[in-house]
Amino acid sequence: GQQVMQIPQYQHVQEGEDFTTYCNSSTTLSNIQWYKQRPGGHPVFLIQLVKSGEVKKQKRLTFQFGEAKKNSSLHITATQTTDVGTYFCALQGAGGTSYGKLTFGQGTILTVHP
Amino acid sequence: DAEITQSPRHKITETGRQVTLACHQTWNHNNMFWYRQDLGHGLRLIHYSYGVQDTNKGEVSDGYSVSRSNTEDLPLTLESAASSQTSVYFCASSEGTALPYEQYFGPGTRLTVT
Repeated sequence: GQQVMQIPQYQHVQEGEDFTTYCNSSTTLSNIQWYKQRPGGHPVFLIQLVKSGEVKKQKRLTFQFGEAKKNSSLHITATQTTDVGTYFCALQGAGGTSYGKLTFGQGTILTVHP
Repeated sequence: DAEITQSPRHKITETGRQVTLACHQTWNHNNMFWYRQDLGHGLRLIHYSYGVQDTNKGEVSDGYSVSRSNTEDLPLTLESAASSQTSVYFCASSEGTALPYEQYFGPGTRLTVT
């Protein structure tokens, strides 16, 4: 099945610094989703990217889908303590036995020091 | 408001016992999923269902079973609990009409097998 590598595994930043997490796949993706999980909480959907080269923004968060649809990134500008949590990318199967299923990256755990 | 609930939220059981974790959603979603989350492994798919009477194995299905007798519920059963099944379990649901679609996660069940 499809696999995705997400890096880094951990990121510690000072409040106000920027943060980026990356997801890479060896195969072309139909779409990619991003989720955030607060400590002790459950994953919550942030966004989905479908088109090659797509860029979407949510306030301080910028999501990109690579031109070849094999990689994606999430960038947070000027982190705040509310950004703490684990960020996951997830690949969604587009056909055959993988249709509709999500394959999650390992996640990046973000800690923000005030 | 529509929601997805899991019960119990915490469970301690002994090795060899049968355990059932409940998942109930009120969105009328066709698709339901069970994941386990362990440190260093992200979220791994256990079983999933695309509708009533439909069940499918995920990547870590050994020792687990599910049944789908109605749209709202997908209980997860551990046939004979093992210490390796100590984990946090998340249920999720999604619409099933056309890709891409996001998944909505329940609050999770923390299971400890002693």
